[in-house]
Amino acid sequence: EVQLVESGGGLVQPGGSLRLSCAASGFTFDNYAMNWVRQAPGRGLEWVSTLSGSSISTYYADSVKGRFTISRDNSKNTLYLQMNSLGADDTAVYYCAKDLLGLGPFDVWGQGTMVSVSS
Amino acid sequence: IQMTQSPSTLSASVGDRVTITCRASQSISTWLAWYQQKPGKAPNLLIYKASNLESGVPSRFSGSGSGTEFTLTISSLQPDDFATYYCQQYDSYWTFGQGTKVEIK
Repeated sequence: EVQLVESGGGLVQPGGSLRLSCAASGFTFDNYAMNWVRQAPGRGLEWVSTLSGSSISTYYADSVKGRFTISRDNSKNTLYLQMNSLGADDTAVYYCAKDLLGLGPFDVWGQGTMVSVSS
Repeated sequence: IQMTQSPSTLSASVGDRVTITCRASQSISTWLAWYQQKPGKAPNLLIYKASNLESGVPSRFSGSGSGTEFTLTISSLQPDDFATYYCQQYDSYWTFGQGTKVEIK
């Protein structure tokens, strides 16, 4: 069964940092680009970042560029999101999602991990 | 690229034919997907490349369009279909529409 499990969320103070992880199983991890998408409470979906299977290509939303870093360890089948300089606007459920076909739509999603930024 | 869905909320009854529209701020060919999301759950891919049904998705769901205007149609609304629907373009980076909530009339 294809599965994604996020972890690492929690409460962090403004200006702080957090690293999210996404453990993948059930598919050949390094064959697929992987993504982070977030959803603020009561709001819609916002794409955050994408990383190609080989880690050659990275993409970021303007709202997180320069603060967030996406990475992956293909030997551990794990995707990461390092989040620095966090602000209240970063409060959201963060989902990792698997690419369907070459930087396309997202066909498998994790259950999400909540990040709350508050003093 | 901005994605605009209409309506934001749609009230319908079981058995109704439902149509949701998604407009792109510039042409995206057919690089468009549709997702369904239920409260507290992750989104679920329904349609990709504008009209391709994802495996396991009921055939009452269909998608059409190209360029800047797209539609998601549910031919006969079922109780399990009350949810929020999002379009997503993947022509240039990735952008979601703001969502359309389908609620019980």
